[in-house]
Amino acid sequence: NAGVTQTPKFRVLKTGQSMTLLCAQDMNHEYMYWYRQDPGMGLRLIHYSVGEGTTAKGEVPDGYNVSRLKKQNFLLGLESAAPSQTSVYFCASRSDGTEPQHFGDGTRLSIL
Amino acid sequence: EDKVVQSPLSLVVHEGDTVTLNCSYEVTNFRSLLWYKQEKKAPTFLFMLTSSGIEKKSGRLSSILDKKELFSILNITATQTGDSAVYLCAVYGSGGSNYKLTFGKGTLLTVNP
Repeated sequence: NAGVTQTPKFRVLKTGQSMTLLCAQDMNHEYMYWYRQDPGMGLRLIHYSVGEGTTAKGEVPDGYNVSRLKKQNFLLGLESAAPSQTSVYFCASRSDGTEPQHFGDGTRLSIL
Repeated sequence: EDKVVQSPLSLVVHEGDTVTLNCSYEVTNFRSLLWYKQEKKAPTFLFMLTSSGIEKKSGRLSSILDKKELFSILNITATQTGDSAVYLCAVYGSGGSNYKLTFGKGTLLTVNP
């Protein structure tokens, strides 16, 4: 029962470096989401996708890009990391309608 | 802009106590309200509520929705230390097929032995 898998689990970057976070789901879900979670701020939506080849901006998209080339994968990219992007990043997916979102275990990202 | 407000932000109780967590919301085109429990890692789904007045139950946890007053409560009876977690409330709204969840900031529940 893999569900939603995020890699890596932890990463430390220097300011200005780039990296890609990978989210993979094996439930054949159409919808996928990237959130960030910061103390006192709750979960905030960065970008989301309603199907293969589609992406859309969420609440806090600046500084991030995403791609959904395959239905099962949703990639989150940081082109030039900034300390303000230090956070825990969660990926989620769901089937359709208003079904619950299923979350991955998160990626803890620190930018120095 | 959709909004979800949870209260209290944190709560400390003793094992065996009963707790009530609150969630109020203002969203466009409300569809459903969800509760999640978050321990160290991923939020895990507890309940989804779409109809007013119908209680959902799972063991010692229960939840109910009031669509007229725009709020929901999550009750936990006979609390255990394993109930210690952040409880998140989230709402689907804003119409269309691209339903997005708006989350509250969560309630941190600490259950002491």
